[in-house]
Amino acid sequence: DAGVTQSPTHLIKTRGQQVTLRCSPKSGHDTVSWYQQALGQGPQFIFQYYEEEERQRGNFPDRFSGHQFPNYSSELNVNALLLGDSALYLCASSIDSEAFFGQGTRLTVV
Amino acid sequence: QKEVEQDPGPLSVPEGAIVSLNCTYSNSAFQYFMWYRQYSRKGPELLMYTYSSGNKEDGRFTAQVDKSSKYISLFIRDSQPSDSATYLCASSSKTSYDKVIFGPGTSLSVIP
Repeated sequence: DAGVTQSPTHLIKTRGQQVTLRCSPKSGHDTVSWYQQALGQGPQFIFQYYEEEERQRGNFPDRFSGHQFPNYSSELNVNALLLGDSALYLCASSIDSEAFFGQGTRLTVV
Repeated sequence: QKEVEQDPGPLSVPEGAIVSLNCTYSNSAFQYFMWYRQYSRKGPELLMYTYSSGNKEDGRFTAQVDKSSKYISLFIRDSQPSDSATYLCASSSKTSYDKVIFGPGTSLSVIP
């Protein structure tokens, strides 16, 4: 079992640009959640996808959007990047409330 | 008030010591309680998962949940240098699809 895989592992973008991050869930998991983890902080919930629909959303602006595909993989899109968007972006797939995380994508906005 | 709080540390202990990590939470709807271990620049790794109150033991790790006081603990026996990491406590509500709320994490160093 490959577990949760995320791509790319690192990314550098310029302010104002757009970025797309990708996630493949653990085998058998149909729910994908995205989290943002700033340096020295715990992960903060962005949103969750189930059956290709956004089921829950945290306190993040509309610049953050996502998508889930029929094979349960997911994308996180961030528009109009700000310096404050620099963080580790984590994808988690879950069954019940037991969430398994990928290694994350480290996004640096310059 | 944050929904899950924990002392960020850092905590430094000698090898072989018993480590006690603690969290408090405020949301009475929380029913699932987790501890994650996160090494530097890596994703969180699920260590322990507990439903409702009680104790759960897995090798050198013991998780305790006291819902009456909204207190979550993780004990590590015979700590090893490889246990050096950030430990994140997390909770979610009784609905199976609810978001997981994390504490800020406690940084632990186990000194050989």
